[in-house]
Amino acid sequence: NAGVTQTPKFQVLKTGQSMTLQCAQDMNHNSMYWYRQDPGMGLRLIYYSASEGTTDKGEVPNGYNVSRLNKREFSLRLESAAPSQTSVYFCASRQGVTEAFFGQGTRLTVV
Amino acid sequence: QQQVKQSPQSLIVQKGGISIINCAYENTAFDYFPWYQQFPGKGPALLIAIRPDVSEKKEGRFTISFNKSAKQFSLHIMDSQPGDSATYFCAASGGGNKLTFGTGTQLKVEL
Repeated sequence: NAGVTQTPKFQVLKTGQSMTLQCAQDMNHNSMYWYRQDPGMGLRLIYYSASEGTTDKGEVPNGYNVSRLNKREFSLRLESAAPSQTSVYFCASRQGVTEAFFGQGTRLTVV
Repeated sequence: QQQVKQSPQSLIVQKGGISIINCAYENTAFDYFPWYQQFPGKGPALLIAIRPDVSEKKEGRFTISFNKSAKQFSLHIMDSQPGDSATYFCAASGGGNKLTFGTGTQLKVEL
């Protein structure tokens, strides 16, 4: 049972480049989330999807887009990367109001 | 605007001591309050959670105390051990399945 799988684990981008972070869960969860983690800032919600076909903005959505491709997959896209988007990105999923399961994270550096 | 405020930012406790981390929230629609533990290089994992219909929940050495009228909740780690050294996040959830985290507390348990 893989749980929540994120790819890639590490990425270095140049300013202005685009990329998509992939997330897949195999627990048949309805809700999926993207967070960024920065020192002293905790986990900040970028976007979330309460169910397949819906997406909503979190606290820090600017500069990001998401796609809930199907029930399993929720991708995060950076259209034009900026140094301020250097962070560790976590995907999570959960069923209803219960435990959220997190992936191992993607460490992104924008130079 | 931080919907869940967490303190302290860092905490050093002697082995065998009690670690206490506090959180406060504003949104009265929150109805699920989990605590997550994160080790370096890993994603957060659920430690313990409480719903507002009870004032305390205990699981082993970990206890959540919940004060609905004050809109505060806290994590107590009894008999703290070096293996408890990690970052701890409080979180809150309610209505729409949004899951909001605090800024985190780095706990170090010294021998």
